[in-house]
Amino acid sequence: RKEVEQDPGPFNVPEGATVAFNCTYSNSASQSFFWYRQDCRKEPKLLMSVYSSGNEDGRFTAQLNRASQYISLLIRDSKLSDSATYLCVVNRVSSGGSYIPTFGRGTSLIVHP
Amino acid sequence: GAGVSQSPRYKVAKRGQDVALRCDPISGHVSLFWYQQALGQGPEFLTYFQNEAQLDKSGLPSDRFFAERPEGSVSTLKIQRTQQEDSAVYLCASSLEGNPSGELFFGEGSRLTVL
Repeated sequence: RKEVEQDPGPFNVPEGATVAFNCTYSNSASQSFFWYRQDCRKEPKLLMSVYSSGNEDGRFTAQLNRASQYISLLIRDSKLSDSATYLCVVNRVSSGGSYIPTFGRGTSLIVHP
Repeated sequence: GAGVSQSPRYKVAKRGQDVALRCDPISGHVSLFWYQQALGQGPEFLTYFQNEAQLDKSGLPSDRFFAERPEGSVSTLKIQRTQQEDSAVYLCASSLEGNPSGELFFGEGSRLTVL
C-alpha cells in the first residue's frame, strides 16, 4: 500500500463548478501536510499548506482530519486555469528522524467551458 | 536566476551508459531532495541532503544510483549502467530549513530517456 493515496481522476468539470479532492496517508506519525499543483510537463509548485484547523486561500479550502488520516482540497468556482494535477504531500518521519516530503500520484483536474 | 536550476534538461542515453544530472539549489537552502517522476505518477523520493550530509538515501532504487553534495550546495545524481526502467523525469527540490516543514522549491527537472 502506498504511503499517500489519491484518486488519479481525471475529474472533468464545467467552469464555475465546485470540486473536491481527497487524500489518505498511512503513517499516523506524519508531520506537515500540503497540496502542490503541477501543470503538464512542469515542476510541482506549492498551492497551500494544510493546517489542523482547516484553512482557506481564496477559492481553495484545505482540511486535515488526523484521526482518519485524511486530507481534502475544495475548489470553488472552478476556472479554466485550474486545470492541472493536484499532488497531496505528507511529511513522513524517516527512521533517522528526517522529515521526508512524500507525494501522492496526483489527481488530474480538467475544467471545460 | 533565483530558482533551482537543473541540467541537462533532456538527456538521451543508450542502455548501459552512465549519466550525471546536476542540481543548483537556491543559494542558502539547507535541504536538498531528489525525486524520480515517471509518466502519470507522482514524484517518488530518492534521497535527501542536509547541507553536505546525505541523511536519507532509502529511495534510491539500486546501487547503480549515487548522489552527492560535497560542499553543501550543488548536487549531482549519477546513474551507472542505465536501464530502460530508469527513463523518467528527475526532479531536484530545495528548502530553506533543515528538516523542512515549509515549501519545497523545484527545478524544472531533467528528463532522461534510456534507449
